Amino acid sequence: QKEVEQNSGPLSVPEGAIASLNCTYSDRGSQSFFWYRQYSGKSPELIMSIYSNGDKEDGRFTAQLNKASQYVSLLIRDSHPSDSATYLCAVSNFGNEKLTFGTGTRLTIIP
Amino acid sequence: EADIYQTPRYLVIGTGKKITLECSQTMGHDKMYWYQQDPGMELHLIHYSYGVNSTEKGDLSSESTVSRIRTEHFPLTLESARPSHTSQYLCASSPPEWEGLLNEQFFGPGTRLTVL
Repeated sequence: QKEVEQNSGPLSVPEGAIASLNCTYSDRGSQSFFWYRQYSGKSPELIMSIYSNGDKEDGRFTAQLNKASQYVSLLIRDSHPSDSATYLCAVSNFGNEKLTFGTGTRLTIIP
Repeated sequence: EADIYQTPRYLVIGTGKKITLECSQTMGHDKMYWYQQDPGMELHLIHYSYGVNSTEKGDLSSESTVSRIRTEHFPLTLESARPSHTSQYLCASSPPEWEGLLNEQFFGPGTRLTVL
């Protein structure tokens, strides 16, 4: 079992709809959770970080964390074609300053 | 936006050449990382550093070496490039924990290396 698992996709969502991306992790000691967006040929860009159970909203993005179930999700509301990218989930522990990345979910927003 | 720079952005070089990929950040971050990523594939950590004169190998074995003589500078060197080294190399940095950003990493634009 991989430490951080994501559905590789592709996930296709019509423009204006909500895109829902999911990530599960195996290490119960994980404390910090991140979502990165990576356009093809570009470097990852941090879009959300979350440390506590519950929801965290930033503009059109909402990150949701459930430590008991060991999953973290990212919702993108009012999706735009410019949201088409690969979304990487990353996890780390306190005292371990390395991130463990998932393989990413490729999201396509259909105009 | 993170101020982290990588040069060159693209490099095509012949087998056997020695190359150094540069990474610099102006944010005073103590932690820096090198990742390798093939197109459409996952990120692999190859080196990291928690401060000056501190370097560690990452999760993916790599023939490259790194140095950290100055806080802002974390170069990666390949003594003898081979076609198997063809990949994208991404540098990242992370602020100290006292800034409250727990392990957030910010990436540079990357260097795309092609070894012929």
